[in-house]
Amino acid sequence: RKEVEQDPGPFNVPEGATVAFNCTYSNSASQSFFWYRQDCRKEPKLLMSVYSSGNEDGRFTAQLNRASQYISLLIRDSKLSDSATYLCAVNRDQGGKLIFGQGTELSVKP
Amino acid sequence: DAGVTQSPTHLIKTRGQQVTLRCSPKSGHDTVSWYQQALGQGPQFIFQYYEEEERQRGNFPDRFSGHQFPNYSSELNVNALLLGDSALYLCATNRKIPTYEQYFGPGTRLTVT
Repeated sequence: RKEVEQDPGPFNVPEGATVAFNCTYSNSASQSFFWYRQDCRKEPKLLMSVYSSGNEDGRFTAQLNRASQYISLLIRDSKLSDSATYLCAVNRDQGGKLIFGQGTELSVKP
Repeated sequence: DAGVTQSPTHLIKTRGQQVTLRCSPKSGHDTVSWYQQALGQGPQFIFQYYEEEERQRGNFPDRFSGHQFPNYSSELNVNALLLGDSALYLCATNRKIPTYEQYFGPGTRLTVT
């Protein structure tokens, strides 16, 4: 079993839809959690760090559930420009090795 | 404020050759991590450098080695290239203290033929 697993995708949604991604991690020692966005053939870009209390940035909301060992990302009012692969990442020591899921592809259609 | 830079952008090598990839960190960052990303997969951690020393290493063979310079820039060297080494090589940088969010460079796409 992989240490970090994501919904396999792809997710195909219409503009304006709300879409949620889940990511589970197996190591309870994980300390820090992140969502990255990666466009085709580009580098991952940090979307959000995920805090224990949950956090929101505009249309994006991230949640952490330590008891069930998962993080989630909610995108409201999807835009065409949200089409990308979304990667979750965890690490066990702040600033150290990031362990990534395999990514979930999102395609937002007109 | 310059972001993370990497060179070269693309590289084509022959099996058995050696390659060196370079990374310059974002301003104010002192820690460099290298990742390998195969098509359709998430990035896989190779190693991390801080204070010119390798601090952590992933499950990669000794053919993968690195270096960090006093100005915090870093190199990744891969010897005896295999076809399976074809991938996008990403470096990510962060500050050890006080924040730890890692920011990626644009990557080097390596093709081994």
